[in-house]
Amino acid sequence: DVVMTQSPLSLPVTLGQPASISCRSSQSLVHSDGSTYLHWFQQRPGQSPRRLIYKVSNRDSGVPDRFSGSGSGTDFTLKISSVEAEDVGVYYCMQGTQWLYTFGQGTKLEIK
Amino acid sequence: EMQLVESGGGLVQPGRSLRLSCTTSGFTFGDNAMSWVRQAPGKGLEWVGFIRSKTYGGTTDYAASVKGRFTISRDDSKSIAYLQMNSLKTEDTATYYCIRGTWGGYWGRGTLVTVSS
Repeated sequence: DVVMTQSPLSLPVTLGQPASISCRSSQSLVHSDGSTYLHWFQQRPGQSPRRLIYKVSNRDSGVPDRFSGSGSGTDFTLKISSVEAEDVGVYYCMQGTQWLYTFGQGTKLEIK
Repeated sequence: EMQLVESGGGLVQPGRSLRLSCTTSGFTFGDNAMSWVRQAPGKGLEWVGFIRSKTYGGTTDYAASVKGRFTISRDDSKSIAYLQMNSLKTEDTATYYCIRGTWGGYWGRGTLVTVSS
């Protein structure tokens, strides 16, 4: 199985400051069709996960543009340009390239 | 408006069975794969499995942890996906989410399954 490793696991951030979460995979996430199926999710307290970014860098509809995704191969990053109070929650990366699809352990973002 | 609503969760004894349903609306159900992901209390997310659309054979894939015990099926006429869970173990205790497709774009609110004697 592809192991997804996120860092940090805990991320205290001051309001208005940037934040960055790293996600590394144990093998390349480039599919045979040429696409990279790496997605990012946000789970606010008491809510279902919500996808923010799909296929590395494509922002979902309604997602603020302060969220951005980048990376390639085995190394990916989610960035928040200026953290707001509503961004509190747990963030997960997920690979959908190879079954068994797998999530990272999650990064808990809190306001400092 | 797209909706996915899970139901059928509850308290069940180890070794027993439970069937979850995912009732959907607002999209062409038959054109989509349907997935199940679970989350143990206070823990991370884990894929359970998914079923392809009939166009792609309606076949299924499962996580090793549930293979042989869980079965995913679909009723395209009713726009419902099912998760049949047999031989339940305490470690199957989790909130079970239904998802449209396999990219995680649309999730239900989940249904809690507690396996305990």
